[in-house]
Amino acid sequence: EAGVAQSPRYKIIEKRQSVAFWCNPISGHATLYWYQQILGQGPKLLIQFQNNGVVDDSQLPKDRFSAERLKGVDSTLKIQPAKLEDSAVYLCASSLDTGSLYGYTFGSGTRLTVV
Amino acid sequence: AQSVAQPEDQVNVAEGNPLTVKCTYSVSGNPYLFWYVQYPNRGLQFLLKYITGDNLVKGSYGFEAEFNKSQTSFHLKKPSALVSDSALYFCAVREGTGFQKLVFGTGTRLLVSP
Repeated sequence: EAGVAQSPRYKIIEKRQSVAFWCNPISGHATLYWYQQILGQGPKLLIQFQNNGVVDDSQLPKDRFSAERLKGVDSTLKIQPAKLEDSAVYLCASSLDTGSLYGYTFGSGTRLTVV
Repeated sequence: AQSVAQPEDQVNVAEGNPLTVKCTYSVSGNPYLFWYVQYPNRGLQFLLKYITGDNLVKGSYGFEAEFNKSQTSFHLKKPSALVSDSALYFCAVREGTGFQKLVFGTGTRLLVSP
């Protein structure tokens, strides 16, 4: 099966600019996750979708971050305006459902550098 | 809240020697524990999981992990390390009752020298 696709792979922007990341999960996976991985830290969950509904966005900085999952398939994560501390790798993952015992499948991530 | 701790930032081992990457957990109820590996510029790859059953769990690439309830540990092991095992390793625990998510440790960098 095809894996989780993410684009772009790399992005460099200036602070206060906006940026968007795209994720296409594995076909049939109902649950989609966006994680933020800052250098030297473990991945931190930003937002979790079940189909096209948000089930957990408790750690999403909602004043600048937004995400959507139209039609329960692809998802877009946006940052506007970006700050220096947003420099990180943004990982998208998907699973069959939220209670999956098989773990998640991760994409290769988007490395964001804010200068 | 559920959590995992990885006490070592880095583990160094010579090729051919056994390796151990440590993880301890703090959970209420039964723990669902995972190990993932991350190679440079790649996403996380699933290695193995513990849900229930045997305390010794076997996974991908010759890795295994030992679940120890009394010590609340879930250490990752391999009998003979390869240079290609050099990567970043993350322990994770599944959290939540309804909608669940993985909570990750801070990661341990494994360096295997030739």
